[in-house]
Amino acid sequence: ETGVTQTPRHLVMGMTNKKSLKCEQHLGHNAMYWYKQSAKKPLELMFVYNFKEQTENNSVPSRFSPECPNSSHLFLHLHTLQPEDSALYLCASSQVISGDRGRGQPQHFGDGTRLSIL
Amino acid sequence: QQQVKQSPQSLIVQKGGISIINCAYENTAFDYFPWYQQFPGKGPALLIAIRPDVSEKKEGRFTISFNKSAKQFSLHIMDSQPGDSATYFCAAKARPSGTYKYIFGTGTRLKVLA
Repeated sequence: ETGVTQTPRHLVMGMTNKKSLKCEQHLGHNAMYWYKQSAKKPLELMFVYNFKEQTENNSVPSRFSPECPNSSHLFLHLHTLQPEDSALYLCASSQVISGDRGRGQPQHFGDGTRLSIL
Repeated sequence: QQQVKQSPQSLIVQKGGISIINCAYENTAFDYFPWYQQFPGKGPALLIAIRPDVSEKKEGRFTISFNKSAKQFSLHIMDSQPGDSATYFCAAKARPSGTYKYIFGTGTRLKVLA
């Protein structure tokens, strides 16, 4: 497989369920990201992992819990979600190179998990 | 200051026409401006990107025009084709601050009529 793979592609869960989203990147990148995509809103960055260390948490509610066991895998653990959490959750990866001032290292996205909260 | 304003929200163009999507920003710390294309059921895919030290970049039918003084940049799709029908997002990245954070526009849904 190539690129960024997300599973499952679709997920329907109740508000009291616990589930996890998985992301795997096959690009050899060292940074991974979770985004939330809702209709008519900009992509919202949720979490950033750089060399397996979480470097950003954009005031995301604690019902979303990320995990990055290695530079190729990223998880988003979900529990007690709300209906407004229904959205497309996108994973991305990029190569962060020290000393290049961060220029020109594009983020590559997976196809997302479509999450519906009942 | 962290926003990127994108317009129009939707665009309909005849086949063979020129599609133009505009973005504006306020933060002068932004130093990388990619455009992403997203088809239904797919994630965004990098289309073309520009840095502020050039005023134009062209790749095939896609051109980014960049106006640093006006803090605006735009995507031009020449000879638009029905296969170009997708949602397009502009984005901007600030200079390193310990993160590699993109700020995205709200997207433009393009429909090219056959």
